[in-house]
Amino acid sequence: KAGVTQTPRYLIKTRGQQVTLSCSPISGHRSVSWYQQTPGQGLQFLFEYFSETQRNKGNFPGRFSGRQFSNSRSEMNVSTLELGDSALYLCASGGQGDTNYGYTFGSGTRLTVV
Amino acid sequence: AQTVTQSQPEMSVQEAETVTLSCTYDTSENNYYLFWYKQPPSRQMILVIRQEAYKQQNATENRFSVNFQKAAKSFSLKISDSQLGDTAMYFCAFRYLIQGAQKLVFGQGTRLTINP
Repeated sequence: KAGVTQTPRYLIKTRGQQVTLSCSPISGHRSVSWYQQTPGQGLQFLFEYFSETQRNKGNFPGRFSGRQFSNSRSEMNVSTLELGDSALYLCASGGQGDTNYGYTFGSGTRLTVV
Repeated sequence: AQTVTQSQPEMSVQEAETVTLSCTYDTSENNYYLFWYKQPPSRQMILVIRQEAYKQQNATENRFSVNFQKAAKSFSLKISDSQLGDTAMYFCAFRYLIQGAQKLVFGQGTRLTINP
C-alpha cells in the first residue's frame, strides 16, 4: 500500500514569489491535513480538508491557502513568500480504518525562501 | 486551549539503556487520543504508540510503553533496551475533535540520542 506522497521534496523560492506544494494521500483516505514545522515554532496546524471541503483552519495569514481535489489529492499554496515561511511542510492523510487513527504522514517538502 | 508540553528538549543515553520521555497536556476535552511520534533525519513522522483517553490500561508496542496518568494529564514514553535506530526527535501529540474535524496538537519535541 503506497504511503503519503509529497512533492517536491525540496524547493527554493525568492521572497515575493508564490509556491504550490502537493500531497497525495493513501488510496481511499479522504482527509488531508497540513502542518508547518520550524525550529522556532515547532509543528503548527495549517488546515484540514475532507472530501474537498476545508473543515478546520489554523492560525495562519490568508497567504496560506489550500484545496483538495475529487481524488483526495491536496495542494497548498503560499503567496507573496516571506523569509519566515521557510519550513518543512508536512502533510498527513487519514481515513476510515486507518490504524494510525487518522494520521499517516508524508516525508514533507522543505521550502527555503531566499 | 489545548496544549502539549515536553519539558526535555534533549536527552542522551547509552545503547541498551532505558529512557523515559516526559509529556504533559492541558485540555478540557473528555474524549481524545494521545500519540508519540518519532521523526528521524528522513523527516517522516512515524507513529510510535497511541493511547485512547478512555482506556485505563497503558499502551505497549514492543520496546515502547507509555505511562498514562489521566488525572495528572501526563503521558510519558518509556523506551526499553534502546537501540541506535531510536535516535530521532520524539513528539508527543494530542488529538481531539473540533466542530466535527480532528485536530492534532504537538509538543515542542525531545531530541533523543542513543550513543553506542
